[in-house]
Amino acid sequence: DIHMTQSPSTLSASVGDRVAITCRASQSVTPWVAWYQQKPGKAPNLLIYKASSLAGGVPSRFSGSESGTEFTLTISSLQPDDFASYYCQQYSSFPLTFGGGTKVEIK
Amino acid sequence: EVQLAESGGGLIQPGGSLRLSCSVSGFTVSSNFMSWVRQAPGKGLEWVSGISSGGSTYYADSVKGRSTISSDNSKNILYFQLNSLRVEDTALYYCAGDGTNFLHWGQGALVTVSS
Repeated sequence: DIHMTQSPSTLSASVGDRVAITCRASQSVTPWVAWYQQKPGKAPNLLIYKASSLAGGVPSRFSGSESGTEFTLTISSLQPDDFASYYCQQYSSFPLTFGGGTKVEIK
Repeated sequence: EVQLAESGGGLIQPGGSLRLSCSVSGFTVSSNFMSWVRQAPGKGLEWVSGISSGGSTYYADSVKGRSTISSDNSKNILYFQLNSLRVEDTALYYCAGDGTNFLHWGQGALVTVSS
């Protein structure tokens, strides 16, 4: 199974900050990585697919990048609506696997 | 508009069985890869099962051998049967699609396994 190691598990930041969340895959999954945002009591929402493609309706302050087996979700300027949990997911092979999640909190 | 609506959750005793349903509108279940993803209380996301447009089925090790994913194409409904339930199966179960990254999600069905 492919393991996705996500870091940090918690991130404290302020509105306007640039933040980055990283996932490292245990083997090559390029480019089959997606990123999701989840707010309390809600289903996850797809932000990024194929490592760097923005899903429909997602603000351009979200971006994804990759370098080898490391994948990064960047929020260029954190907005109040962005305080939530974020998950990476690989869909290169079965079983599909998620990272452990990152909770972005208000500093 | 795409909508996914799960049903069939509830309180079940250890060793029991459950059958979840996901009624889909706005796209065709049989033409897309569909999955079940669960989330234990306060924990992260765990993919548990998927079915391809060709009918191939896939399972996580945590449910393999005691679960079955299927679909009723005439009703556009996705199903998930899980047997020999364990306390650790307690979770909110989401159906998700289309594709192996998940654009569409239901609101989830809560399954609580407890005596």
